[in-house]
Parts: sequence; structure tokens; C-alpha cells
Amino acid sequence: EVQLVQSGAEVKKPGESLKISCKGSGYSFTSYWIGWVRQMPGKGLEWMGIIYPGDSDTRYSPSFQGQVTISADKSISTAYLQWSSLKASDTAMYYCARLADSGYRSGLNYWGQGTLVTVSS
Amino acid sequence: EIVMTQSPATLSVSPGERATLSCRASQSVSSNLAWYQQKPGQAPRLLIYGASTRATGIPARFSGSGSGTEFTLTISSLQSEDFAVYYCQQYNNGYTFGQGTKLEIK
Repeated sequence: EVQLVQSGAEVKKPGESLKISCKGSGYSFTSYWIGWVRQMPGKGLEWMGIIYPGDSDTRYSPSFQGQVTISADKSISTAYLQWSSLKASDTAMYYCARLADSGYRSGLNYWGQGTLVTVSS
Repeated sequence: EIVMTQSPATLSVSPGERATLSCRASQSVSSNLAWYQQKPGQAPRLLIYGASTRATGIPARFSGSGSGTEFTLTISSLQSEDFAVYYCQQYNNGYTFGQGTKLEIK
């Protein structure tokens, strides 16, 4: 069974750093792209970026380029999303999701449970 | 960046009736379009990919159509569990989501 399990909720202060994780299992982790999606409170889905764990090829949405870093450690089947300096506006639910096909263009058919990040002074 | 526009923002339909949701792309995305359903407190669920192919386990009452810049998601006979927010997403050039359509009970 394919599963993506995300790390737990975080409460941070503005200016702090953070790295959240998404562990894949039940499939060949290096063969499928994993994307990250932001959902601010009461709002819609926003595409952040995507990584291919096989070679760490990473593509960012223009809106998130330079704001976050996406990475992966294929030795432990885990993808990451990190911030170097959080802002209150980073408060949101963050989802990781796997593409349905092994190619780059596909829908997202497996989702993590989400990680709630709260940034408040 | 390709902009995806969904309409209407909110759709009120009675159970058993048909619902038609629209999604428009700012430039052609070919058939590289997916639809998702999201219920409160849950992660999104893939319904349709390739504009018209149902994902595994999705009931036949869900259907997708369109290509290029105009797309439609149709739910033929609404069940109580179908009331949710629906998003389209293009994956032809990068990835972008529409802003969502809330399907509510009339």
C-alpha cells in the first residue's frame, strides 16, 4: 500500500527555521515525483514545487522560488520542505503528494495527511 | 504562469440532481488537467486526470470533459458525500490549481 506520512504539527516564532518531512512507503520512492502544496486557513490549494527523489531534480512555482527549499533523502525515502526564516504568512497546512505516473506530467493520486505550521509571536 | 479560473465559486444543487463545474485555462493545457475533491479536514482526493479519465475507485457518476482551455467536471446524480470543494489543476506547463468551487446542498 502506497503511503505518504508527514511529520507532526509545528508552532514556531517569526524568524525561526523549520524543516518538515514526508516519508514514502509501499512503492519505489526514487521513481515518482513528489510535490508540495500549501493551503492557508480557509483558502484554496497552491502549488509550491516538486522534486524527483531519484536525482533530486527540483522545480519551484515562481511564487515560492527563493522562499522555501525542497529536498529529498532517498536513503530514507523522505522528502522535505524547509524555511530559513518563517513569517506569520507561512501559517498554513502543507501537503506532500505523489504523482500518479512515473513521468513528470500527471495528477497527484497519493497525499500525505498534511502538516499544520503555525507561525506566531 | 498558467492561470486556472473556476466557475462558479459556489454552486448550490439538490441531492439527486446534476452538477456541472467549469475550469478555464489562460492558455492551452492540452488534456493535462486533473480534478480533485476536498472535504473539510481532509487531504484532496484525485477524481479525474487526463481531463476525462477517472482515477481508481472513483464512481462513474463523476465525469470530466474538455481539452485546450475549457474543461468541465460533471457529477450526474449528487450524493450527500459529494458536497465538498472541487479544484482543477493543470500539469501541462508546471502545475497550477484553480481557486476552487464549493458545491453545497440546496
